[in-house]
Amino acid sequence: NAGVTQTPKFRVLKTGQSMTLLCAQDMNHEYMYWYRQDPGMGLRLIHYSVGEGTTAKGEVPDGYNVSRLKKQNFLLGLESAAPSQTSVYFCASSPDRGRRLAQSSYEQYFGPGTRLTVT
Amino acid sequence: AQSVTQLDSHVSVSEGTPVLLRCNYSSSYSPSLFWYVQHPNKGLQLLLKYTSAATLVKGINGFEAEFKKSETSFHLTKPSAHMSDAAEYFCVVSRDNAGNMLTFGGGTRLMVKP
Repeated sequence: NAGVTQTPKFRVLKTGQSMTLLCAQDMNHEYMYWYRQDPGMGLRLIHYSVGEGTTAKGEVPDGYNVSRLKKQNFLLGLESAAPSQTSVYFCASSPDRGRRLAQSSYEQYFGPGTRLTVT
Repeated sequence: AQSVTQLDSHVSVSEGTPVLLRCNYSSSYSPSLFWYVQHPNKGLQLLLKYTSAATLVKGINGFEAEFKKSETSFHLTKPSAHMSDAAEYFCVVSRDNAGNMLTFGGGTRLMVKP
Protein backbone atom coordinates (compact mmCIF):
# COMPACT_ATOMS: atom_id res chain seq x y z
CA ASN A 1 0.00 0.00 0.00
CA ALA A 2 1.98 3.00 -1.31
CA GLY A 3 -0.61 5.61 -0.27
CA VAL A 4 -0.31 8.78 -2.37
CA THR A 5 2.56 9.03 -4.84
CA GLN A 6 3.62 11.93 -7.05
CA THR A 7 5.66 12.01 -10.24
CA PRO A 8 8.13 13.64 -10.80
CA LYS A 9 9.80 14.69 -7.53
CA PHE A 10 11.69 17.60 -9.09
CA ARG A 11 11.38 19.53 -12.34
CA VAL A 12 12.87 22.64 -13.88
CA LEU A 13 10.96 24.36 -16.67
CA LYS A 14 11.61 27.37 -18.84
CA THR A 15 8.94 30.06 -19.05
CA GLY A 16 6.30 29.05 -21.56
CA GLN A 17 6.95 25.31 -21.40
CA SER A 18 4.22 22.89 -20.44
CA MET A 19 4.19 19.90 -18.16
CA THR A 20 1.93 17.48 -16.33
CA LEU A 21 2.25 16.34 -12.73
CA LEU A 22 0.86 12.92 -11.93
CA CYS A 23 -0.74 11.95 -8.63
CA ALA A 24 -1.74 8.36 -7.90
CA GLN A 25 -3.43 6.82 -4.88
CA ASP A 26 -4.11 3.18 -4.08
CA MET A 27 -6.58 3.68 -1.20
CA ASN A 28 -9.70 3.74 -3.38
CA HIS A 29 -10.40 7.32 -2.29
CA GLU A 30 -13.10 9.30 -4.05
CA TYR A 31 -11.68 12.76 -3.42
CA MET A 32 -8.37 14.09 -4.68
CA TYR A 33 -6.72 17.51 -4.39
CA TRP A 34 -3.85 19.56 -5.72
CA TYR A 35 -2.17 22.20 -3.54
CA ARG A 36 0.76 24.50 -3.89
CA GLN A 37 2.99 25.48 -0.99
CA ASP A 38 4.85 28.77 -0.94
CA PRO A 39 7.06 30.08 1.88
CA GLY A 40 5.09 31.57 4.78
CA MET A 41 1.73 30.89 3.13
CA GLY A 42 0.85 27.35 4.08
CA LEU A 43 -0.84 25.27 1.38
CA ARG A 44 -3.39 26.67 -1.05
CA LEU A 45 -5.90 24.56 -2.93
CA ILE A 46 -5.56 24.71 -6.73
CA HIS A 47 -8.21 22.23 -7.92
CA TYR A 48 -9.94 19.22 -6.51
CA SER A 49 -12.06 16.29 -7.66
CA VAL A 50 -14.97 14.60 -5.91
CA GLY A 51 -14.94 11.59 -8.20
CA GLU A 52 -13.84 10.13 -11.51
CA GLY A 53 -14.61 12.50 -14.36
CA THR A 54 -15.34 15.53 -12.11
CA THR A 55 -13.16 18.47 -11.14
CA ALA A 56 -13.69 21.79 -9.36
CA LYS A 57 -11.73 24.99 -8.82
CA GLY A 58 -10.06 25.71 -5.55
CA GLU A 59 -8.55 28.88 -4.19
CA VAL A 60 -5.84 29.52 -6.83
CA PRO A 61 -6.86 27.75 -10.08
CA ASP A 62 -5.57 30.23 -12.68
CA GLY A 63 -2.85 28.87 -14.96
CA TYR A 64 -3.59 25.23 -14.11
CA ASN A 65 -5.81 22.52 -15.53
CA VAL A 66 -6.65 19.12 -14.11
CA SER A 67 -8.14 15.83 -15.21
CA ARG A 68 -9.47 12.79 -13.37
CA LEU A 69 -9.95 10.13 -16.03
CA LYS A 70 -9.34 7.27 -13.61
CA LYS A 71 -10.35 7.14 -9.98
CA GLN A 72 -6.82 6.49 -8.80
CA ASN A 73 -5.11 9.26 -10.80
CA PHE A 74 -5.34 13.05 -10.70
CA LEU A 75 -3.29 15.04 -13.22
CA LEU A 76 -2.22 18.67 -12.85
CA GLY A 77 -1.22 20.48 -16.03
CA LEU A 78 0.60 23.71 -16.65
CA GLU A 79 0.03 24.78 -20.25
CA SER A 80 2.44 27.72 -20.28
CA ALA A 81 4.62 27.85 -17.18
CA ALA A 82 5.41 31.17 -15.51
CA PRO A 83 8.01 32.00 -12.82
CA SER A 84 5.11 32.69 -10.41
CA GLN A 85 4.33 28.97 -10.60
CA THR A 86 7.64 28.07 -8.96
CA SER A 87 6.46 26.22 -5.89
CA VAL A 88 6.17 22.86 -4.18
CA TYR A 89 3.07 20.99 -5.31
CA PHE A 90 1.28 18.51 -3.10
CA CYS A 91 -1.41 16.05 -4.01
CA ALA A 92 -3.82 14.64 -1.44
CA SER A 93 -6.74 12.24 -1.31
CA SER A 94 -9.57 11.47 1.09
CA PRO A 95 -12.42 8.97 1.36
CA ASP A 96 -15.95 9.70 0.11
CA ARG A 97 -18.19 11.91 2.26
CA GLY A 98 -20.25 9.00 3.59
CA ARG A 99 -17.22 7.23 4.97
CA ARG A 100 -15.84 10.48 6.33
CA LEU A 101 -19.08 11.33 8.13
CA ALA A 102 -19.26 7.83 9.58
CA GLN A 103 -15.74 8.19 10.89
CA SER A 104 -16.16 11.86 11.84
CA SER A 105 -12.99 12.39 9.92
CA TYR A 106 -12.03 14.73 7.15
CA GLU A 107 -8.41 13.67 7.02
CA GLN A 108 -6.61 14.19 3.77
CA TYR A 109 -3.64 11.96 2.95
CA PHE A 110 -0.75 13.78 1.31
CA GLY A 111 1.89 12.77 -1.20
CA PRO A 112 5.58 13.66 -0.77
CA GLY A 113 5.46 16.70 -3.06
CA THR A 114 6.93 17.88 -6.37
CA ARG A 115 9.37 20.78 -6.38
CA LEU A 116 8.90 22.82 -9.57
CA THR A 117 11.15 25.66 -10.62
CA VAL A 118 10.26 27.88 -13.57
CA THR A 119 13.10 30.04 -14.91
CA ALA B 1 -15.32 33.09 5.67
CA GLN B 2 -12.92 30.80 7.45
CA SER B 3 -9.33 31.78 8.23
CA VAL B 4 -6.47 30.62 10.39
CA THR B 5 -3.68 32.59 12.03
CA GLN B 6 -0.65 30.92 13.49
CA LEU B 7 0.75 33.42 15.92
CA ASP B 8 4.40 32.37 15.77
CA SER B 9 6.35 31.63 12.60
CA HIS B 10 9.21 30.08 14.62
CA VAL B 11 9.30 28.46 18.05
CA SER B 12 12.47 27.18 19.72
CA VAL B 13 12.44 24.90 22.77
CA SER B 14 14.92 22.72 24.57
CA GLU B 15 14.52 18.96 24.51
CA GLY B 16 12.37 17.82 27.43
CA THR B 17 10.56 21.16 27.85
CA PRO B 18 6.90 21.84 26.95
CA VAL B 19 5.80 22.84 23.48
CA LEU B 20 3.08 25.41 22.74
CA LEU B 21 2.15 26.28 19.16
CA ARG B 22 -0.61 28.87 18.95
CA CYS B 23 -3.47 28.99 16.47
CA ASN B 24 -6.49 31.28 16.23
CA TYR B 25 -9.28 30.73 13.74
CA SER B 26 -12.33 32.50 12.45
CA SER B 27 -15.32 30.61 11.14
CA SER B 28 -18.90 31.41 10.36
CA TYR B 29 -20.06 28.03 11.64
CA SER B 30 -18.84 25.26 13.90
CA PRO B 31 -15.50 24.43 12.34
CA SER B 32 -13.50 21.29 11.77
CA LEU B 33 -9.92 21.99 12.85
CA PHE B 34 -6.74 20.06 12.28
CA TRP B 35 -3.05 20.13 13.01
CA TYR B 36 -0.72 18.71 10.39
CA VAL B 37 3.04 18.21 10.68
CA GLN B 38 5.56 18.38 7.86
CA HIS B 39 9.05 17.02 8.37
CA PRO B 40 11.79 18.31 6.06
CA ASN B 41 11.27 17.29 2.44
CA LYS B 42 8.25 15.19 3.36
CA GLY B 43 4.52 15.40 2.78
CA LEU B 44 2.06 16.40 5.48
CA GLN B 45 0.87 14.05 8.19
CA LEU B 46 -2.24 14.51 10.32
CA LEU B 47 -1.43 15.02 14.01
CA LEU B 48 -4.95 15.44 15.31
CA LYS B 49 -8.42 16.73 14.43
CA TYR B 50 -11.38 18.39 16.11
CA THR B 51 -14.83 17.72 14.67
CA SER B 52 -17.23 18.94 17.42
CA ALA B 53 -16.77 16.03 19.80
CA ALA B 54 -14.51 16.43 22.85
CA THR B 55 -12.87 19.84 23.10
CA LEU B 56 -9.55 18.33 24.23
CA VAL B 57 -8.18 16.32 21.36
CA LYS B 58 -5.33 13.87 21.68
CA GLY B 59 -3.14 13.13 18.68
CA ILE B 60 -0.14 11.10 17.74
CA ASN B 61 3.31 11.37 19.31
CA GLY B 62 2.00 12.86 22.56
CA PHE B 63 0.51 16.01 21.06
CA GLU B 64 -2.84 17.39 22.07
CA ALA B 65 -4.91 20.47 21.31
CA GLU B 66 -7.80 22.19 23.04
CA PHE B 67 -10.67 23.80 21.17
CA LYS B 68 -11.76 27.00 22.94
CA LYS B 69 -14.74 28.54 21.23
CA SER B 70 -14.79 31.63 23.45
CA GLU B 71 -11.20 32.41 22.49
CA THR B 72 -11.45 31.05 18.91
CA SER B 73 -8.24 29.17 19.59
CA PHE B 74 -6.91 25.70 18.89
CA HIS B 75 -3.42 25.66 20.40
CA LEU B 76 -1.18 22.62 20.06
CA THR B 77 0.76 21.39 23.09
CA LYS B 78 3.12 18.63 24.13
CA PRO B 79 4.44 18.18 27.68
CA SER B 80 8.00 17.27 26.70
CA ALA B 81 9.69 18.00 23.38
CA HIS B 82 11.78 15.41 21.59
CA MET B 83 14.41 16.07 18.96
CA SER B 84 12.26 14.24 16.41
CA ASP B 85 9.49 16.85 16.90
CA ALA B 86 11.52 19.41 14.95
CA ALA B 87 9.33 20.13 11.91
CA GLU B 88 6.84 22.60 10.49
CA TYR B 89 3.33 22.54 11.93
CA PHE B 90 0.19 23.74 10.20
CA CYS B 91 -3.11 24.64 11.79
CA VAL B 92 -5.94 24.00 9.34
CA VAL B 93 -9.66 24.80 9.25
CA SER B 94 -12.19 23.25 6.91
CA ARG B 95 -14.05 25.90 4.91
CA ASP B 96 -16.95 23.64 4.05
CA ASN B 97 -18.96 20.94 5.77
CA ALA B 98 -17.67 18.31 3.35
CA GLY B 99 -14.07 18.90 4.37
CA ASN B 100 -12.90 19.54 0.83
CA MET B 101 -11.86 23.13 1.17
CA LEU B 102 -9.07 23.41 3.71
CA THR B 103 -7.54 26.72 4.75
CA PHE B 104 -4.01 26.43 6.05
CA GLY B 105 -2.24 28.72 8.44
CA GLY B 106 1.16 30.05 7.48
CA GLY B 107 2.96 27.40 9.51
CA THR B 108 5.12 27.37 12.64
CA ARG B 109 8.62 25.98 12.43
CA LEU B 110 9.50 24.17 15.66
CA MET B 111 13.17 23.88 16.53
CA VAL B 112 14.29 21.61 19.36
CA LYS B 113 17.66 22.24 20.98
CA PRO B 114 19.57 19.43 22.69
